[in-house]
Amino acid sequence: ETGVTQTPRHLVMGMTNKKSLKCEQHLGHNAMYWYKQSAKKPLELMFVYNFKEQTENNSVPSRFSPECPNSSHLFLHLHTLQPEDSALYLCASSQGGPNYGYTFGSGTRLTVV
Amino acid sequence: AQSVTQLGSHVSVSEGALVLLRCNYSSSVPPYLFWYVQYPNQGLQLLLKYTSAATLVKGINGFEAEFKKSETSFHLTKPSAHMSDAAEYFCAVSERGANSKLTFGKGITLSVRP
Repeated sequence: ETGVTQTPRHLVMGMTNKKSLKCEQHLGHNAMYWYKQSAKKPLELMFVYNFKEQTENNSVPSRFSPECPNSSHLFLHLHTLQPEDSALYLCASSQGGPNYGYTFGSGTRLTVV
Repeated sequence: AQSVTQLGSHVSVSEGALVLLRCNYSSSVPPYLFWYVQYPNQGLQLLLKYTSAATLVKGINGFEAEFKKSETSFHLTKPSAHMSDAAEYFCAVSERGANSKLTFGKGITLSVRP
């Protein structure tokens, strides 16, 4: 148990579906992150939340919509995705920034068909 | 802007051999540096980090890394590879400050031969 839990672990969705990814941390951290990990590419930072406020949107298409209702929960709402959005989506949390390192969840493997 | 370079995509060593994974960084200010490991179907796990204390940093599973400012490097080593070390390894850099964020290298896959 890493302290950061992501559900579901696997998700297959059609391009017209709407689904949500969930991330929950029990570490008392105040920052949460969404990363996209595609084959053969570096991890891509998507969104950053500090104390529930979004502090970074790294030019992510609007078909990805994050939500952070409190410091322990982070969602990624998905709609009208494209096949190239298939990837491993990783959630991470940290306390006050990355100098203590991030704690990652196990990820959601998303396949868009 | 900060960046990390991990040359090559795959390293193969024999069990019991030295492991050396290279990482070079670029940062306009003194950085924090990290190595993470990712096992199949899992998230990333922190191996070790450099935050301006000792330049030789020891981490979990027998790994260590040395910060060399003159070479802008933070190479990861382990004296004797074990089969369980087979995984993907990521080097990452961040600048100091509350709103800084991690920038990852593209990762390198370590294979361990029996």
